[in-house]
Amino acid sequence: GNSVTQMEGPVTLSEEAFLTINCTYTATGYPSLFWYVQYPGEGLQLLLKATKADDKGSNKGFEATYRKETTSFHLEKGSVQVSDSAVYFCALFISNFGNEKLTFGTGTRLTIIP
Amino acid sequence: NAGVMQNPRHLVRRRGQEARLRCSPMKGHSHVYWYRQLPEEGLKFMVYLQKENIIDESGMPKERFSAEFPKEGPSILRIQQVVRGDSAAYFCAVQASGGTYNEQFFGPGTRLTVL
Repeated sequence: GNSVTQMEGPVTLSEEAFLTINCTYTATGYPSLFWYVQYPGEGLQLLLKATKADDKGSNKGFEATYRKETTSFHLEKGSVQVSDSAVYFCALFISNFGNEKLTFGTGTRLTIIP
Repeated sequence: NAGVMQNPRHLVRRRGQEARLRCSPMKGHSHVYWYRQLPEEGLKFMVYLQKENIIDESGMPKERFSAEFPKEGPSILRIQQVVRGDSAAYFCAVQASGGTYNEQFFGPGTRLTVL
C-alpha cells in the first residue's frame, strides 16, 4: 500500500535558522507529492506540490524536490520566521479510478522562537 | 479553502448521541472527501463521494459511521451513538478544477468533542 513517513517532531528553531523536514514515501505507482500546512485551529492549506520526478515545488520561501531515486520530498526553508510556526504534513496522491485519496504523514510540529 | 464550508466548527456531544457534520463545497464541485484527524496525528482518509454516489469508503469504520452527498444540499457525515474515541477534527476536501485534479482544498474542519 501507499504510505508517507515524516520526520518526528516537535521541531524548535530560532528565527532565521535553516529548516529541513524530512519526508519519504512508499507508493505503488507514480504519485504526486504535497506539503500541507496547518496553523492552530485551522484546516489544511496547500503549501507546495510536485507531480513528477525532479520537479521542485516552491512557495513562500519553502522548497521541496521530488526525488524518485530516494523516494523523498524533503521540505526546506533557508530562513524561518515566527509566523512559520505550524504543523506540516507531507502527503501523496495517486490517481487510480475509484482510489483517489491523499495519504498523509503524521505531521511535524514546528515552533520558531524569536 | 476554495469556498469549502463546514459546519458546525465545533460540536459537543455526549456519549450515545448522534453527530451530524456538514460540508458545503463551492458550486461546481461534485467530489467530496472526508478525513479524520485524531489528536496529535495526521489525517486519515474516510470516504470519497460524488453527488449521490459513494466512490470509496475504505476508510470508514464499519459501524456507526455513514456519509452521503445528495443531489441537492451539503455532504453529511453522520456518526451514530458517539463514543469518546470519536473525538477528533473532521475535514472535508474538494478536488481542484481546471486540470489540477490531484490537488485537494480543505475546509476549516469540525472539531467534535464527545463528553
